[in-house]
Amino acid sequence: TQLLEQSPQFLSIQEGENLTVYCNSSSVFSSLQWYRQEPGEGPVLLVTVVTGGEVKKLKRLTFQFGDARKDSSLHITAAQPGDTGLYLCAGARTNAGKSTFGDGTTLTVKP
Amino acid sequence: NAGVTQTPKFQVLKTGQSMTLQCAQDMNHNSMYWYRQDPGMGLRLIYYSASEGTTDKGEVPNGYNVSRLNKREFSLRLESAAPSQTSVYFCASSGVGYEQYFGPGTRLTVT
Repeated sequence: TQLLEQSPQFLSIQEGENLTVYCNSSSVFSSLQWYRQEPGEGPVLLVTVVTGGEVKKLKRLTFQFGDARKDSSLHITAAQPGDTGLYLCAGARTNAGKSTFGDGTTLTVKP
Repeated sequence: NAGVTQTPKFQVLKTGQSMTLQCAQDMNHNSMYWYRQDPGMGLRLIYYSASEGTTDKGEVPNGYNVSRLNKREFSLRLESAAPSQTSVYFCASSGVGYEQYFGPGTRLTVT
């Protein structure tokens, strides 16, 4: 059973466009992380959200945690080729000892 | 700080051979994880260790064993490699929260 559903699975856009990717679940998480993975490398942590309704910004990236802490979104403004990669969300439940990862969204930004 | 290191980076095995993947972290983290990543499958948890001396099964533990040698080191062993174990293997560690820091990966091919 996949607890975290990410959409879309693939996204190809032109440089300068805006985009949003989603991470949805029927489970409540105590925290949720977003990672970016470039080809041939390990995932790199971008942000953690812990409070329902929380919004965090990282330059052109905006992350939001749903009010019920079951879903999250990542919005990129004016995408650049350097944003290309696999975006993964991961949710953790209190005392679970581990996180659950979604299958990711593969983003390609064309110059 | 090196963060999370993994050895080897690449490995080719024949069916039935055994090998151990090594992982070490220098961030004084309690928790360590082993994942495999196949195309289109995201990250799947093989085993994890919430603290020195403890290990637990993840989603796909069959065919693998682990050892938490000390707080720094967490190894993954394939006793009898199978072609289905061809994958990229990532080790990760986390501290008090669930934010994970990943190594660069080991690319394993079993023929």
